[in-house]
Amino acid sequence: NAGVTQTPKFQVLKTGQSMTLQCAQDMNHNSMYWYRQDPGMGLRLIYYSASEGTTDKGEVPNGYNVSRLNKREFSLRLESAAPSQTSVYFCASSEARGQPQHFGDGTRLSIL
Amino acid sequence: QKEVEQDPGPLSVPEGAIVSLNCTYSNSAFQYFMWYRQYSRKGPELLMYTYSSGNKEDGRFTAQVDKSSKYISLFIRDSQPSDSATYLCAMCAPYNQGGKLIFGQGTELSVKP
Repeated sequence: NAGVTQTPKFQVLKTGQSMTLQCAQDMNHNSMYWYRQDPGMGLRLIYYSASEGTTDKGEVPNGYNVSRLNKREFSLRLESAAPSQTSVYFCASSEARGQPQHFGDGTRLSIL
Repeated sequence: QKEVEQDPGPLSVPEGAIVSLNCTYSNSAFQYFMWYRQYSRKGPELLMYTYSSGNKEDGRFTAQVDKSSKYISLFIRDSQPSDSATYLCAMCAPYNQGGKLIFGQGTELSVKP
């Protein structure tokens, strides 16, 4: 049982390039989330999808877009990458909003 | 004042010791109370969660919630070097308050052989 799977695990981009981070869950969860984790800042919510067909902004949405492709998949897109977006990105899912979340192992993204 | 406060440590103990990790919170509406374990270069792993006050045990781990004091704890018995990780407490706001997951700062634990 894979849980939450993120691809890729590592990526290096140049400033201005675009990139899509992929996330899939096999727990039949309704809600999915994207976080970034930076030293000293903890986990910060970028976007979430409470249910299939809906998406909402979190604490730090600027510079990102998301797509809830279906119940299993939730992608995060950087349209024009900036060095400030260098971070570790985590996808998570839960049965519903307000319930415990399960995390993937992250994508380490460096933007030069 | 942060909604969830957790001593960041670091905490270093000898193998076999009992470890106590604690968090306090301010929002009495929080419902689910969770403990995550995060190894270096890995994602947070949901260790345990409870919905109400009381104790929940899973092997060497015991989670304790005291809603009257707004205080939660995680106890690790017979600690092992493999328990060395960062432990994060987290709480869920109810759906009518946005359902947001609020994390503590994390406590870095090192168990020495």
